[in-house]
Amino acid sequence: QVQLQQWGAGLLRPSETLSLTCAVYGGSFSGYYWSWVRQSPGKGLEWIGEIDHSGNTNYNPSLKSRVTISIDTSKNQFSLRLSSVTAADTAVFYCARTIATMIVHYYMDVWGKGTTVTVSS
Amino acid sequence: QSVLTQPPSASGTPGQRVTISCSGSSFNLGSNTVNWYQQVPGMAPKLLIYRNNQRPSGVPDRFSGSKSGTSASLAISGLQSDDEADYYCVTWDDNLNGWVFGGGTKLTVL
Repeated sequence: QVQLQQWGAGLLRPSETLSLTCAVYGGSFSGYYWSWVRQSPGKGLEWIGEIDHSGNTNYNPSLKSRVTISIDTSKNQFSLRLSSVTAADTAVFYCARTIATMIVHYYMDVWGKGTTVTVSS
Repeated sequence: QSVLTQPPSASGTPGQRVTISCSGSSFNLGSNTVNWYQQVPGMAPKLLIYRNNQRPSGVPDRFSGSKSGTSASLAISGLQSDDEADYYCVTWDDNLNGWVFGGGTKLTVL
């Protein structure tokens, strides 16, 4: 049973860089895409970006200039960095496994429990 | 404003059948399959329906999905109190080259 365990700093000041990591346990790391999704308080879900085991990335165009997703296959981990955060970036951040090929994206099936990140001065 | 359009709320009484709609465009629903997630407040989303109408193991057959053209729908039959949650449709958008979500529908069981 694949499980995703995520962690990172929960309180940031404006202009700082958000950094979160997600570790994959109990399953294969290769052959999947690995995604980040966030949910602002009281709002819906927003896809941030994804990476595959080879390091190929796709990012949400609205966040692309501030987002970096990286991968460490030796540790079965992937990470999110979001620079220059503001209060608008306050959200619960989720990592998720994505079923996809190079041509078709199918679905996100396994999710982490979420990490609450608050940006406040 | 979400790329996919869902009604903000839906409701029904126990035992009833409710449907939740999801509308998109040729770049997303018109070209790709749709997935549905159930989210209880404070919890991570749970995959409910994938590839239009497939149920993951453990999801009751009271939940069903369909898609036609640029629209999709989720149907819940035999409504139960623990179906009360937020429901999201999601698909890949070929123009944005990314996942797009509906704004979510809050289901209330009266």
